[in-house]
Amino acid sequence: ETGVTQSPTHLIKTRGQQVTLRCSSQSGHNTVSWYQQALGQGPQFIFQYYREEENGRGNFPPRFSGLQFPNYSSELNVNALELDDSALYLCASRGPSGSSYEQYFGPGTRLTVT
Amino acid sequence: AQSVTQPDIHITVSEGASLELRCNYSYGATPYLFWYVQSPGQGLQLLLKYFSGDTLVQGIKGFEAEFKRSQSSFNLRKPSVHWSDAAEYFCAVHPLNQGGKLIFGQGTELSVKP
Repeated sequence: ETGVTQSPTHLIKTRGQQVTLRCSSQSGHNTVSWYQQALGQGPQFIFQYYREEENGRGNFPPRFSGLQFPNYSSELNVNALELDDSALYLCASRGPSGSSYEQYFGPGTRLTVT
Repeated sequence: AQSVTQPDIHITVSEGASLELRCNYSYGATPYLFWYVQSPGQGLQLLLKYFSGDTLVQGIKGFEAEFKRSQSSFNLRKPSVHWSDAAEYFCAVHPLNQGGKLIFGQGTELSVKP
């Protein structure tokens, strides 16, 4: 059973550009969430996808968007990058039922916006 | 508003000494509660969780946590710290009926002296 993986590991972008981050969920997990972790802070919930639909969103503007694919992999897209978007972006997956409120996190993508 | 407070930003303990990391939450009902650990450059690893029942929960790596409803607290403890425990520790709550959203505290950085 593989864990949650994310790509790329690091990324440098310029203000105003667009970026796509990718996540592969843990095997058997059909729900994925994305978090933004600024330096020295705890992770902040961006949104969650379940069965390819967004079903929960945190306090992030619409330029943060996502996709979930039939194989439960996921993308986070950020348009019109701002300097404050520099952060570690974490993907987390969880299973379909039972006591599966446990979320399993990937190693993250470090995004730097210059 | 729902929130999680970790009052200690940085704690230093000697190897072999006991450890207690504090966590308080603000929420109308009893949420699901978690402790995660993050090593440098790594994602978050689940240490333990509380859903209901026995208020003292055991986790991995010798950690335990105690839920105290009257104090809205969920403090993490370890009787004897090892140098490998040096990391960032995050308390998180999962508010009921809010999908996969986890609300994290700011984190406590643990340093271990030899």
